Amino acid sequence: GDSVTQMEGPVTLSEEAFLTINCTYTATGYPSLFWYVQYPGEGLQLLLKATKADDKGSNKGFEATYRKETTSFHLEKGSVQVSDSAVYFCALRSAGNQFYFGTGTSLTVIP
Amino acid sequence: DTEVTQTPKHLVMGMTNKKSLKCEQHMGHRAMYWYKQKAKKPPELMFVYSYEKLSINESVPSRFSPECPNSSLLNLHLHALQPEDSALYLCASSLTGIHGYTFGSGTRLTVV
Repeated sequence: GDSVTQMEGPVTLSEEAFLTINCTYTATGYPSLFWYVQYPGEGLQLLLKATKADDKGSNKGFEATYRKETTSFHLEKGSVQVSDSAVYFCALRSAGNQFYFGTGTSLTVIP
Repeated sequence: DTEVTQTPKHLVMGMTNKKSLKCEQHMGHRAMYWYKQKAKKPPELMFVYSYEKLSINESVPSRFSPECPNSSLLNLHLHALQPEDSALYLCASSLTGIHGYTFGSGTRLTVV
């Protein structure tokens, strides 16, 4: 079945460091791919999305490219800030309209 | 209006109480969802409503009872819960197809 595999955390970075959070997926058909962010005590917010191969989603300095050849959707940011500290979830929406989440990666950015 | 609004934000209830969680959206989304999230875990799907009809029930115990009175409202009725039901309950809505879900900020439920 469809699934999402996300790199284990937690991840701790210094401010202005480069961030990569790996995400790979297994799906039949052509899923849409998403990154959600969850700040402490809050719900999930859509960070970015890509709906077809080679699409690049971007928002707030974060980027992810839908790579069909490697079935990946890695999240990157060139320079993280303390305010980026949160849990990040990779997710896919399958051709059958089901939503699948990765296990989440906790990011802590220290000044 | 691009939000999903959940009330209350926090709820503490005893195991014999009956309470309800409420979710509202005015984006014209015709699919609405209830998720349960335990600490440091991804959300787990509980129920899906599509065009006000229950389309998916992920083997959720009957002490959780969903209701969709109209296309903008989704309720979750709670009765005789257990302490292990304490969690963050998230509501979401979506258009069909390729779109992501819009999540509410959740109700933090504690069962004592």
